[in-house]
Amino acid sequence: AQSVTQLGSHVSVSEGALVLLRCNYSSSVPPYLFWYVQYPNQGLQLLLKYTSAATLVKGINGFEAEFKKSETSFHLTKPSAHMSDAAEYFCAVRGRGSNYKLTFGKGTLLTVNP
Amino acid sequence: EAGVAQSPRYKIIEKRQSVAFWCNPISGHATLYWYQQILGQGPKLLIQFQNNGVVDDSQLPKDRFSAERLKGVDSTLKIQPAKLEDSAVYLCASSLLGTSARNEQFFGPGTRLTVL
Repeated sequence: AQSVTQLGSHVSVSEGALVLLRCNYSSSVPPYLFWYVQYPNQGLQLLLKYTSAATLVKGINGFEAEFKKSETSFHLTKPSAHMSDAAEYFCAVRGRGSNYKLTFGKGTLLTVNP
Repeated sequence: EAGVAQSPRYKIIEKRQSVAFWCNPISGHATLYWYQQILGQGPKLLIQFQNNGVVDDSQLPKDRFSAERLKGVDSTLKIQPAKLEDSAVYLCASSLLGTSARNEQFFGPGTRLTVL
């Protein structure tokens, strides 16, 4: 079985500060990993994904994430937070081959203070 | 390109009533997913279709939930009878056929169900 754990249900940063959202995964095979963002009353939008190419993955809106196998982590970062980044962020894992169901973490709500 | 459409956006019913949600995926997307997102949790897959066949419904409470995708395009999810714990956002997503991670899932805006 595969799973993800997001550390911290709520993260608050100041505008211009570093954003760090943590995600650890558990998978018996090398996983595919994803970060999604959800704005209020909207569906999920893919930010970035790791599919075993480069370990440092760049996504939309200036976000990036680094796959660290030794730490089973896939943390999401952005050097400088913007007010428009305020949203809920979900980490998700997907297996390979026939096990391609997405399993989501519980989410981290990011608040950006002016 | 039009996105995934869902209706209604909001629904309030009383327990033991029935409710149905509709989803129209992105044109050409053979795979369709229904997720349940309870407040404070991540989405949980309820059922996955590939064309009009069910690929995975292992987490669908089949005593009360049903879903169909008769013509391999749009889909309906039904709850009958509803329970208080069914209050959630129901998300529909679609993707191209195949298991490649390049086949991104595109999500609709969801239907927020409140069961009183």
